[in-house]
Amino acid sequence: GAGVSQSPSNKVTEKGKDVELRCDPISGHTALYWYRQSLGQGLEFLIYFQGNSAPDKSGLPSDRFSAERTGGSVSTLTIQRTQQEDSAVYLCASSLADSDTQYFGPGTRLTVL
Amino acid sequence: AQSVTQPDIHITVSEGASLELRCNYSYGATPYLFWYVQSPGQGLQLLLKYFSGDTLVQGIKGFEAEFKRSQSSFNLRKPSVHWSDAAEYFCAVGDNDYKLSFGAGTTVTVRA
Repeated sequence: GAGVSQSPSNKVTEKGKDVELRCDPISGHTALYWYRQSLGQGLEFLIYFQGNSAPDKSGLPSDRFSAERTGGSVSTLTIQRTQQEDSAVYLCASSLADSDTQYFGPGTRLTVL
Repeated sequence: AQSVTQPDIHITVSEGASLELRCNYSYGATPYLFWYVQSPGQGLQLLLKYFSGDTLVQGIKGFEAEFKRSQSSFNLRKPSVHWSDAAEYFCAVGDNDYKLSFGAGTTVTVRA
């Protein structure tokens, strides 16, 4: 079956613009995670969705970052008023409920000029 | 708070030689420990994991890791590396929701 997909694969934007990054998890996976991989910070957790529960937003670096998950499937990570330090690869992962194994997507490389 | 340290940023190893990647973790409870590999241009792939039980765990691609609670370590090993093992390797610790905290990664270069 299909794995986790993310779009776009690359995004170049200007400082101050808003961007939306999309994640399509594996069908049937109720847990969804967003991570960020950057040169300065390495791989960091951003936000976690599990079913219909309120998301765990403890990893979001600022209030410019938000995410939603519609219908328990597709998720969108939104970054408002992008800054150069937001440049990174944004990774999405999904897993079955109460499963330890996360399946990662290929990531979206965001470049903020 | 949980954290992971990978002391080696870069390791070069000859093809056919053994490989060991170090990982130390900090976590208040029984840790969920993982090793992931990221090949150039590829996503993260799970190599192996440890939750409980046998402290020596086997993974894919001939890798194994040993959990040592007394040393807070979870080192990854492979007896004989192949050129295709050149990649970046990440150790991670997960909390009860499996939110992962990753180490900085170790880049492995394999020379012929």
